[in-house]
Amino acid sequence: EAGVAQSPRYKIIEKRQSVAFWCNPISGHATLYWYQQILGQGPKLLIQFQNNGVVDDSQLPKDRFSAERLKGVDSTLKIQPAKLEDSAVYLCASSFTAGTGELFFGEGSRLTVL
Amino acid sequence: GIQVEQSPPDLILQEGANSTLRCNFSDSVNNLQWFHQNPWGQLINLFYIPSGTKQNGRLSATTVATERYSLLYISSSQTTDSGVYFCAVVSRSGNTGKLIFGQGTTLQVKP
Repeated sequence: EAGVAQSPRYKIIEKRQSVAFWCNPISGHATLYWYQQILGQGPKLLIQFQNNGVVDDSQLPKDRFSAERLKGVDSTLKIQPAKLEDSAVYLCASSFTAGTGELFFGEGSRLTVL
Repeated sequence: GIQVEQSPPDLILQEGANSTLRCNFSDSVNNLQWFHQNPWGQLINLFYIPSGTKQNGRLSATTVATERYSLLYISSSQTTDSGVYFCAVVSRSGNTGKLIFGQGTTLQVKP
């Protein structure tokens, strides 16, 4: 069974530029999550989708971050304009069900903002 | 919201030693998972264990849901066990299924 796919693995940009990350969840998983992990910390949830609807985006900095999950499968996370403090690993995860389902994570996309 | 505390924050072992990592949480949970983050940053699923005991090779985990803690046991540690171990939970009182992570335990196994 294929796991959660993410791209790109690494991205270096200048501050104020934009960047987009892509995620393809495990087939059949209705719930998709984007987490941000800053060096030395545990991952923090940015946004959670159930199919193509947003369940929780309370910690998403909406002035610069946006995310969508068209057709309830793939998802993209965009940052525009990027700030230095956005340097982090962006992790995508999926689960069959929300709440009690086991989450599986992709390899992550490491962003460096200069 | 639910709080997740892991201890110890750092642990250094000699190869072959055993260790116990602890995760305390402040509310009832629907889901508890243990992950190992490898040096490349990927989170590897170790256990999905909202209650009870599970074993997988040299690793085992126990969650005592009524007392709000979970333990991860690593026996006969190897250098490849090095990395950060995270406990993460979904609060039963939440309605979104958000997985909340602890701050992790950084394990270094020396040859």
